[in-house]
Amino acid sequence: RKEVEQDPGPFNVPEGATVAFNCTYSNSASQSFFWYRQDCRKEPKLLMSVYSSGNEDGRFTAQLNRASQYISLLIRDSKLSDSATYLCVVNGVTGGGNKLTFGTGTQLKVEL
Amino acid sequence: DTAVSQTPKYLVTQMGNDKSIKCEQNLGHDTMYWYKQDSKKFLKIMFSYNNKELIINETVPNRFSPKSPDKAHLNLHINSLELGDSAVYFCASSQEILELAGGDDTQYFGPGTRLTVL
Repeated sequence: RKEVEQDPGPFNVPEGATVAFNCTYSNSASQSFFWYRQDCRKEPKLLMSVYSSGNEDGRFTAQLNRASQYISLLIRDSKLSDSATYLCVVNGVTGGGNKLTFGTGTQLKVEL
Repeated sequence: DTAVSQTPKYLVTQMGNDKSIKCEQNLGHDTMYWYKQDSKKFLKIMFSYNNKELIINETVPNRFSPKSPDKAHLNLHINSLELGDSAVYFCASSQEILELAGGDDTQYFGPGTRLTVL
């Protein structure tokens, strides 16, 4: 089982749609969680951290379920500029020390 | 001002050559990282340094040697380049390794170095 699993997509949605991405992680000792966004041929950029209580930033809502080892990202009223790859990222304790583990990413294409 | 910078942005070289990629961060962070993103877009950590000390080495071939002359710099030297080394290499930095007592473990990435080995 992969350490962090995501549906690779692509998700093709019309502008204004609501879209949800899911992610599961295998290491129960993981301690912090993030969603990063990566545009084509660019570096990953932090979209938002994910907290146990859930958190919202404008049109974006992230949820964490530690019991199920599951993270989600909801994007409301999607814009063309939201088209990108969304990376689920987990920071946790491993044999080699603490490190970020990235999912393979979910590709989102928002269309007119 | 650029927070995490890498040079060069593109690097095309022949098999067997030795090359270096440089990374600098002006965020005052204690921890720096090297990641490799392959053709399938999978991003995987290679090394992590905290205060100039190596803390993570993810079974990377010893042809890859990171060097941290100070907290703000983490360079990557690659010997005897192979075709399979072709990838995008990202440098990143964070204040903390892990969120402890409210510390910030958010990682900030450089723009990447696209390495092509012919």
